[in-house]
Amino acid sequence: NAGVTQTPKFQVLKTGQSMTLQCAQDMNHNSMYWYRQDPGMGLRLIYYSASEGTTDKGEVPNGYNVSRLNKREFSLRLESAAPSQTSVYFCASRGVGRTDTQYFGPGTRLTVL
Amino acid sequence: QKEVEQNSGPLSVPEGAIASLNCTYSDRGSQSFFWYRQYSGKSPELIMFIYSNGDKEDGRFTAQLNKASQYVSLLIRDSQPSDSATYLCAVNRGGGFKTIFGAGTRLFVKA
Repeated sequence: NAGVTQTPKFQVLKTGQSMTLQCAQDMNHNSMYWYRQDPGMGLRLIYYSASEGTTDKGEVPNGYNVSRLNKREFSLRLESAAPSQTSVYFCASRGVGRTDTQYFGPGTRLTVL
Repeated sequence: QKEVEQNSGPLSVPEGAIASLNCTYSDRGSQSFFWYRQYSGKSPELIMFIYSNGDKEDGRFTAQLNKASQYVSLLIRDSQPSDSATYLCAVNRGGGFKTIFGAGTRLFVKA
């Protein structure tokens, strides 16, 4: 039982390049999330998927797209990377229920030059 | 005004003391409240959740919730150097899907 996995762990991009961050969970959770974490800013929600087939914008969606490929997988795409997207990206999943917690992946450290 | 506010710290306490971490939130419709611990370079992990007014204890940790004051806190008794980390307060709105995080409080426990 791996929990939440993310790939890659580290990535360096040049401005304008594109890439997809992959996330998978094996806990049969319905909800999945993408956050970014910047120094002093805490975790900010980019997009989330309440269930397979649905996605919704979070606090900071601009410059990103997501795909909920199936119940297990939720990917985040940067179409044209910008230096402002340099951050640590965390994927999380959550079960149903009021007190169900989110389980986080190990994170992806992205640098855009 | 941020939706979830925390003092960024750092909060420094001696080993064995009580560390008190505070959080306020703006959405009165919030229903569930979480405390996560995050070590440097690692992902957040849940310490406790609370959704009823009052205190909830789990080992050395006590979460306190006051919905009227829109205030939630975390007390760590007998603080240990291994408790040194950033503590994130998180609030889940009615509807359940979105969780909003505070910026976190850095805690240092001095041996």
